[in-house]
Amino acid sequence: DAGITQSPRHKVTETGTPVTLRCHQTENHRYMYWYRQDPGHGLRLIHYSYGVKDTDKGEVSDGYSVSRSKTEDFLLTLESATSSQTSVYFCAIKKRERVNEQFFGPGTRLTVL
Amino acid sequence: GNSVTQMEGPVTLSEEAFLTINCTYTATGYPSLFWYVQYPGEGLQLLLKATKADDKGSNKGFEATYRKETTSFHLEKGSVQVSDSAVYFCALSESGTSYGKLTFGQGTILTVHP
Repeated sequence: DAGITQSPRHKVTETGTPVTLRCHQTENHRYMYWYRQDPGHGLRLIHYSYGVKDTDKGEVSDGYSVSRSKTEDFLLTLESATSSQTSVYFCAIKKRERVNEQFFGPGTRLTVL
Repeated sequence: GNSVTQMEGPVTLSEEAFLTINCTYTATGYPSLFWYVQYPGEGLQLLLKATKADDKGSNKGFEATYRKETTSFHLEKGSVQVSDSAVYFCALSESGTSYGKLTFGQGTILTVHP
């Protein structure tokens, strides 16, 4: 158990509505990541964080924003959801500074109608 | 940029068969290499890793060797079980950065029949 929870686990929403996904960790690790998983693409990095208020873009960041106001929570926001953002979203953490293995949460399945 | 290519799936095997899932990569420098496994309805779990050339990662009967000359990190298991049915992802992480971003392959679905 990596000590990561994601909420909600499932969500159905409509095009144009804002959506916020939450990732919560219990171990106060510095690095946190948001990925999306789509068939044929594996996982692709959306945004990551290397500390409170320190975030940066990944390879598929368009249409997403993130915030990290405290160490344990990393929020992913879709300001105006589109059908192309239907996906499974995974949060991950890195536990050790110089070791690049990551530990993943259970995922959130988001459907945008 | 970095990239990871895995063999196309799905792969269907009978129990006790030999498994190979091919993975090749493109990266600058000396990346770390990983295999992750995703069981149905779950998140990804680290299966094994290798951090330098000729390293062999192993776990739960699975093995993979970091081959820099062929830029490969193929996953093998001598005798698969039904419980190995899952999606397997090969991934790399650039060396020399602490941000630890991972680049994933597209995943290979493995189904093992009794």
